Amino acid sequence: DAGVIQSPRHEVTEMGQEVTLRCKPISGHDYLFWYRQTMMRGLELLIYFNNNVPIDDSGMPEDRFSAKMPNASFSTLKIQPSEPRDSAVYFCASSPTGAYNEQFFGPGTRLTVL
Amino acid sequence: AQSVTQLGSHVSVSEGALVLLRCNYSSSVPPYLFWYVQYPNQGLQLLLKYTSAATLVKGINDFEAEFKKSETSFHLTKPSAHMSDAAEYFCAVSHSGNTPLVFGKGTRLSVIA
Repeated sequence: DAGVIQSPRHEVTEMGQEVTLRCKPISGHDYLFWYRQTMMRGLELLIYFNNNVPIDDSGMPEDRFSAKMPNASFSTLKIQPSEPRDSAVYFCASSPTGAYNEQFFGPGTRLTVL
Repeated sequence: AQSVTQLGSHVSVSEGALVLLRCNYSSSVPPYLFWYVQYPNQGLQLLLKYTSAATLVKGINDFEAEFKKSETSFHLTKPSAHMSDAAEYFCAVSHSGNTPLVFGKGTRLSVIA
């Protein structure tokens, strides 16, 4: 099993640019989560999906952030326009229904906005 | 509402010494409890989980945790620390139902030679 796949692993961009982060969950998992991790705020849940439908996006910091899951094997997190304070590591995780909510994490995307 | 408190943002132990990382939870229903480990520049990996079976749970790399309902605790222990155990450790709680895990703020473990 390949695990959760995220791309790119590192992204450096300039303020104002659009950034798209990608995630492929583990096949058969019904839930997909996007997290942001920073030194100051720790691990924050941004949004999660169940069967490709967004369930709770209350963690999305502002309208500049959007997430989609067009099918069971792909999700994107987009930031437009990006700002320096968006610099963080973004994790995607997936979970199968009935697994006591155990989550499987990807390796993360380290985003730096200059 | 569920919550997790990890006591101590940073714990330092000598190589070979006992590791004890503390986690207390708050949950209105019987919880499921997890410990995750994050090595530098990596994602979180599951160490162990409690799902209402045995109260003493054994995980990978000789880590174990004991669920104590009376103390609402799920502390993580390892008898003898190795240098390779240096990492960030996260406690998380959930309950039956399809809700996300609630993570603690993490405890960074340093191991001194």
